[in-house]
Amino acid sequence: GAGVSQTPSNKVTEKGKYVELRCDPISGHTALYWYRQSLGQGPEFLIYFQGTGAADDSGLPNDRFFAVRPEGSVSTLKIQRTERGDSAVYLCASSWGQGEGYEQYFGPGTRLTVT
Amino acid sequence: AQKVTQAQTEISVVEKEDVTLDCVYETRDTTYYLFWYKQPPSGELVFLIRRNSFDEQNEISGRYSWNFQKSTSSFNFTITASQVVDSAVYFCALSVSGYSTLTFGKGTMLLVSP
Repeated sequence: GAGVSQTPSNKVTEKGKYVELRCDPISGHTALYWYRQSLGQGPEFLIYFQGTGAADDSGLPNDRFFAVRPEGSVSTLKIQRTERGDSAVYLCASSWGQGEGYEQYFGPGTRLTVT
Repeated sequence: AQKVTQAQTEISVVEKEDVTLDCVYETRDTTYYLFWYKQPPSGELVFLIRRNSFDEQNEISGRYSWNFQKSTSSFNFTITASQVVDSAVYFCALSVSGYSTLTFGKGTMLLVSP
């Protein structure tokens, strides 16, 4: 079956602009996660959804970052007033359920470059 | 707070050599899960294995094996008879009871040359 898909695969934007990154999880997966991976580092958690609601957004670095999942499937990560420090690969993952035991399946990521 | 340490930044081996990737974790929780993921040059993280804190049995899957030791808080990964296709960055990760999120180590880049 289809895996997690993310669009766009690459995004270049100017400092101060607004961007949206999209994630389409595996069909039937109820939990959806966003991570950010900087060069040479492991992924760092941003936010996760169980269904339509954000179950944990403690990883969002500041209020410029926001994410939604209005129908419990596709999610959009939104970044306002982008800064050069936001440049990274943004990864989305999904799993069958929430809880510490479920393996997460990752998408290919969106590489964001802020110039 | 949870922490995962992968002390080996980069390992280079020649094909057919065995290689072990180290992972040390820290948590105060007694219930937790440990994971290994592979990130090939294409960039997509691929799930390899999950172990829970109550199961210390070692596991073997083909050329891959995992050694979980609670006494040393380690969950090491061995590739036997390495192949060029094993070249990738390997991440160890931890999730604890009540939390779905993964805490990752910084990863170990494995380079297997022919």
